[in-house]
Amino acid sequence: DGGITQSPKYLFRKEGQNVTLSCEQNLNHDAMYWYRQDPGQGLRLIYYSQIVNDFQKGDIAEGYSVSREKKESFPLTVTSAQKNPTAFYLCASSPRDRRTEAFFGQGTRLTVV
Amino acid sequence: QQQVKQSPQSLIVQKGGISIINCAYENTAFDYFPWYQQFPGKGPALLIAIRPDVSEKKEGRFTISFNKSAKQFSLHIMDSQPGDSATYFCAASKAGNQFYFGTGTSLTVIP
Repeated sequence: DGGITQSPKYLFRKEGQNVTLSCEQNLNHDAMYWYRQDPGQGLRLIYYSQIVNDFQKGDIAEGYSVSREKKESFPLTVTSAQKNPTAFYLCASSPRDRRTEAFFGQGTRLTVV
Repeated sequence: QQQVKQSPQSLIVQKGGISIINCAYENTAFDYFPWYQQFPGKGPALLIAIRPDVSEKKEGRFTISFNKSAKQFSLHIMDSQPGDSATYFCAASKAGNQFYFGTGTSLTVIP
């Protein structure tokens, strides 16, 4: 089955630790995105990548980093510099020919204690 | 600055009723307006989408109405069912690049 897989579903980390969230897609999509979801604030774009080895900052990139070494993978690292990292993180992808349609993964809920 | 403004924040509708969620945008360069449905603990899923060259699009019980001059678009859910209870997000994008999402509407359909 084609889709976007985010892992893990739940993640707990101690304050001050870096943590990496996984996102893999087998849809052969060129573009991939990371969003953060907080109650009452909708989805805010962290980073996006339209092609391998290239990525752009979104609206709230501070304290986050990404890589795009393979078309299928777009991992997000939440660094200790992110002041309020506890949130629901969503990965999405879209095809080049219909880049307007975004498909989402099931999300990772990160809790920093 | 919120690129897409969505209202209401929450909505309670009786089974069989019509649910209406509204969105407004400022950037006239936006050319794609999707609606997403999200159930608790899940990722959003595309429900229906419209481009600005049409004023209405209908798919089953779901209809988007689009008013280009007012820069507004809305989602209508006809014959609302308890299974429609979810959070709905409107969004807008330009040439398929960055998506801007509304703040979401939590819909509850009571039997």
